[in-house]
Amino acid sequence: EAGVAQSPRYKIIEKRQSVAFWCNPISGHATLYWYQQILGQGPKLLIQFQNNGVVDDSQLPKDRFSAERLKGVDSTLKIQPAKLEDSAVYLCASSLVQGMNTEAFFGQGTRLTVV
Amino acid sequence: QKEVEQNSGPLSVPEGAIASLNCTYSDRVSQSFFWYRQYSGKSPELIMSIYSNGDKEDGRFTAQLNKASQYVSLLIRDSQPSDSATYLCAGIHYGNNRLAFGKGNQVVVIP
Repeated sequence: EAGVAQSPRYKIIEKRQSVAFWCNPISGHATLYWYQQILGQGPKLLIQFQNNGVVDDSQLPKDRFSAERLKGVDSTLKIQPAKLEDSAVYLCASSLVQGMNTEAFFGQGTRLTVV
Repeated sequence: QKEVEQNSGPLSVPEGAIASLNCTYSDRVSQSFFWYRQYSGKSPELIMSIYSNGDKEDGRFTAQLNKASQYVSLLIRDSQPSDSATYLCAGIHYGNNRLAFGKGNQVVVIP
């Protein structure tokens, strides 16, 4: 079974530039998550989709971050404009369903460096 | 109180010993919990899930859930150098089913 696919693996941009990340979840997984992980910290949920609807985006900085999952499969996360503090690993995860006993599986992540 | 808390510093254990990790959670988190292992520079990998009060064993790993005291722990028996990693505790938030993580605990197994 193929895992969660993310691209690119690494990205270096200057502050105030824009950047986009792509994620393709495990086939059949209805729930998709985007997490931000700053070095030395645990993953922080940015947005959670159930099919193509947003379940939780309470921790997404909406003035600069946006995400979509138009067909309920793959998803993109965009940052515009980027700030230095956005330097982090962006992790995409998916799970079969959302709920109490749901196990989430992670992609390899995109390491973003903003200079 | 944070939803999921892991407060211990780095844990160094000799090879073959037992590594013990603890995690506490708030009332906002459900009683479904997960332990993820994250090697440096890699993404988190699910190693254990526990939903019921008590112990759950899988190979050298044992997860323990104590609902009355609101903590969940992970024991690694016969620790190996390959167990050196950061271990993340996660629980599901009531209401929106958000998967919330603690900050992680680093484990170093010394040969």
